[in-house]
Formats: sequence, structure tokens, C-alpha cells
Amino acid sequence: QSALTQPASVSGSPGQSITISCTGTSSDVGGYDYVSWYQQHPGKVPKLMIYDVSKRPSGVSNRFSGSKSGNTASLTISGLQAEDEADYYCSSYTSSSTLVFGGGTKLTVL
Amino acid sequence: QVQLQESGPGLVKPSETLSLTCTVSGDSISSYYWNWIRQPPGKGLEWVGYIHYSGSTKYNPSLKSRVTILVDTSKNQFSLKLTSVTASDTAMYYCARGFCSGGNCYSRLFDCWGQGTLVTVSS
Repeated sequence: QSALTQPASVSGSPGQSITISCTGTSSDVGGYDYVSWYQQHPGKVPKLMIYDVSKRPSGVSNRFSGSKSGNTASLTISGLQAEDEADYYCSSYTSSSTLVFGGGTKLTVL
Repeated sequence: QVQLQESGPGLVKPSETLSLTCTVSGDSISSYYWNWIRQPPGKGLEWVGYIHYSGSTKYNPSLKSRVTILVDTSKNQFSLKLTSVTASDTAMYYCARGFCSGGNCYSRLFDCWGQGTLVTVSS
């Protein structure tokens, strides 16, 4: 299985909105509404931010939202804050009943 | 509050077997899926595989021929064995619990992670 495709980096200013894309195939992202997003700060463990495309676990800010169109899922962060600066990874369930991650996107808050 | 702790050798020689254990405290290992995920230094996450407390498993196809994940419910632990390692297996290895919500538990989501253990493959 091939890793999902994410941009290597995105950036935005405080208060702005940014979107991170995650592109797969019909065998993963496009085939199931089982896309998740994780946030990882340097030296820390990943944190689940979005699951099943657009659901937020308890305690995650509503500034984080997810969506999907075809084989591409997206994570949007609105009202960007300095603490949002981190690496973000998407993941998707696959037709082989396995899991595949994206390569990760480094978010820089300017 | 559940805690996960990885343990095992930090250095493994090429062609040998990497063996790690994840000890779960604060909760029973039953009723959940338990995963191994790795991250090479400076690189992205890679799902290795999962085991359900019942013993059912699923592995990353790219590692399937070399991976075994076992569970020991009596010790509240699960383990990872990766055979014939090479330098490309050098990574931070995390154990993680599958997320449960609304009475449903999922193998494809992770809500609790260990701190990770760095395993270096080198002679």
C-alpha cells in the first residue's frame, strides 16, 4: 500500500484559516469515510484531531474540521493560533482492512 | 487513566529480531484493539499492525512476512516481533490503543499512545 499524499508544508498567519489536503485512491480515501487526522508537536506523541472524515473527539477545538471529496480529504484549521504549529498526518482505512498514513505536513504559523 | 509503556532493546543488529513489549496500566487490555506504529527519525508515521484482545491480528502488507504481534491478557501486555531487521527498520516504535466511542471500538483510530521507544538497527 502506498502512503497517502500530503503537501510537505503549509503556512498561515494567526487568525487565518489553512487547509491541508490528503490524496489517496478509491481503495482507501475515496472508498471509505474513515479518514483521520493526527497532530504531532516536536518530540511528542500524535494526537487524534479528526476521525471518520469530520468527527471531532471530545476535547478537540471546533477550529479543526474535516471534509472529503472523491479521493481527497482535507483538514481545515480556522482562527490559526501559534499552538497549532505542528506536523499533521492523515490516515485512511483501506480495502485490505489495513491502515495507511500520509507523509505528513508541517504547519508553520507565521 | 490508561498508560502505555514500551520496553525492549534500543539497539538491534542487522538480520536479527526486534522484540518490544507494551505494558498497559490503568485499564484492562480486554475490549480494545492494540497497535504498533513506527516513525523513522525525521520521517512520517507507518502503521505496523494491530491485535485484538481476542488474538485476531492484521499487519501492514509491506511488513507482513516479518511481523508478529501477540497479546498476553494475564500480564496486560502485548508485544511486537520483527524479524530480519535492516537499517530501514530504525525508528521510534509506539504502541497505541484503538479508540472506542459509543460502545464501538476501532482498530483504525488511536486515542492513547505510549511515549515511544527508539530502536536503532546497527552492527
